Amino acid sequence: DVKVTQSSRYLVKRTGEKVFLECVQDMDHENMFWYRQDPGLGLRLIYFSYDVKMKEKGDIPEGYSVSREKKERFSLILESASTNQTSMYLCASSTQQGGLRFDTEAFFGQGTRLTVV
Amino acid sequence: AQSVTQPDIHITVSEGASLELRCNYSYGATPYLFWYVQSPGQGLQLLLKYFSGDTLVQGIKGFEAEFKRSQSSFNLRKPSVHWSDAAEYFCAVTDSWGKFQFGAGTQVVVTP
Repeated sequence: DVKVTQSSRYLVKRTGEKVFLECVQDMDHENMFWYRQDPGLGLRLIYFSYDVKMKEKGDIPEGYSVSREKKERFSLILESASTNQTSMYLCASSTQQGGLRFDTEAFFGQGTRLTVV
Repeated sequence: AQSVTQPDIHITVSEGASLELRCNYSYGATPYLFWYVQSPGQGLQLLLKYFSGDTLVQGIKGFEAEFKRSQSSFNLRKPSVHWSDAAEYFCAVTDSWGKFQFGAGTQVVVTP
C-alpha cells in the first residue's frame, strides 16, 4: 500500500520557535509538495520539489523554507513561527510522467495540525 | 500557471437527491483534472481523474465527472447522495510535471 507519512499529527509551538515538519514517501515519487489547508481557502501550495535538492515556490512561500536532501523525504521549515501560521499542513507526492502515457495522482499524508501560541 | 475555481463554498442536499459540484479551470495546455474528497478527520482520497479520451469519467463511490473544454469545466455528479457523502470536495488541475493546484473546496452537507 502506498504511503505518505507525516511525522506528527498535532504540534503546539511557541511564537518565534523554529519548527520542522517532516514528510516521507515510499513510492519513489519524483515530486513532493507542502500545502496549507485553511477553512474557505482550500489547499494552498507552499513549496513544490521536483527532484532532490530542487524546489520551486508555490503560492504562499513567505515565512517558510524547505529541504529535500533525499528523494523520499521533504521537510517544511518555519524559521520563526508566528500565530498566523497556525493551520493544517498537508504533504503530498506524485510522479512525473509526460507524453502520451501520462498518468499520475497526488497521494497525501494525514496532515499535521500546527498550533502556534 | 494553472488554477482552479470552485464557485460553491457550501452545498446542502437531501439524502437520495442528486448532487452536482462545479469546477472551472484555467490552463493554457491540455489540462489534467482530478476530484478529491476529504471526509471529516480523514486524509484526501482520489475520486476520479481525467487525462484524455472520453470526456465522461467514472470514479469511486458512484461519482462521475464530465470534462467540457468549451466551458473550461469539470463538474462532479452523483445521481443519489448517501449520508456518508457528507465531506469536503476538492477539484485539482496539474501540468505535465505533476504540479497540483487545488480549488478552495466545496463543503457538502447531507440532510435526512
